[in-house]
Amino acid sequence: DVKVTQSSRYLVKRTGEKVFLECVQDMDHENMFWYRQDPGLGLRLIYFSYDVKMKEKGDIPEGYSVSREKKERFSLILESASTNQTSMYLCASSPPWGRTEAFFGQGTRLTVV
Amino acid sequence: GQQVMQIPQYQHVQEGEDFTTYCNSSTTLSNIQWYKQRPGGHPVFLIQLVKSGEVKKQKRLTFQFGEAKKNSSLHITATQTTDVGTYFCAEGNGGATNKLIFGTGTLLAVQP
Repeated sequence: DVKVTQSSRYLVKRTGEKVFLECVQDMDHENMFWYRQDPGLGLRLIYFSYDVKMKEKGDIPEGYSVSREKKERFSLILESASTNQTSMYLCASSPPWGRTEAFFGQGTRLTVV
Repeated sequence: GQQVMQIPQYQHVQEGEDFTTYCNSSTTLSNIQWYKQRPGGHPVFLIQLVKSGEVKKQKRLTFQFGEAKKNSSLHITATQTTDVGTYFCAEGNGGATNKLIFGTGTLLAVQP
């Protein structure tokens, strides 16, 4: 079974802190995604990576950056956390061809105080 | 910005009633996927539709892709309490990178 693991289930950070959200997948998938989920807004794509060191902005990249130094790991970085970044963050991975379903991690509930 | 609109945002039904959620795009879709997220859980893949006019069934769930490939629907016949959750459609670009853009989701509540 594909496993996508996010480093924390719950996280509380202070305004202005640098925050790292880590995601690891074990299926050698090329594609990895970071989404943010807020009530009524669905899943909004923050960043997308289709290969090591390759990234593409999603719909809401402002205030975020990403890092993909190894194929299995995709990190989301909040350079200076703000209260409006309080949200559920979901990481996903998928292969590029054929059956292209995405597999999700369990999510990280981030609260910025 | 996001181009996939999903309606309704919320639906409450009595157990045994049918349910339908619709996904609409302003552009022609390469393919569309459907996911289900149970309360407190993460989205789980249900199905992918690729061909114009395609219809697929999974037990009580029927998925349809429009002829123009600009809309899709998910219909559940005779809902059960186990159907509770949020249903998302997702637009895939179908290429090597398979960037996925999700709809806003429909939250289904089923009253026993």
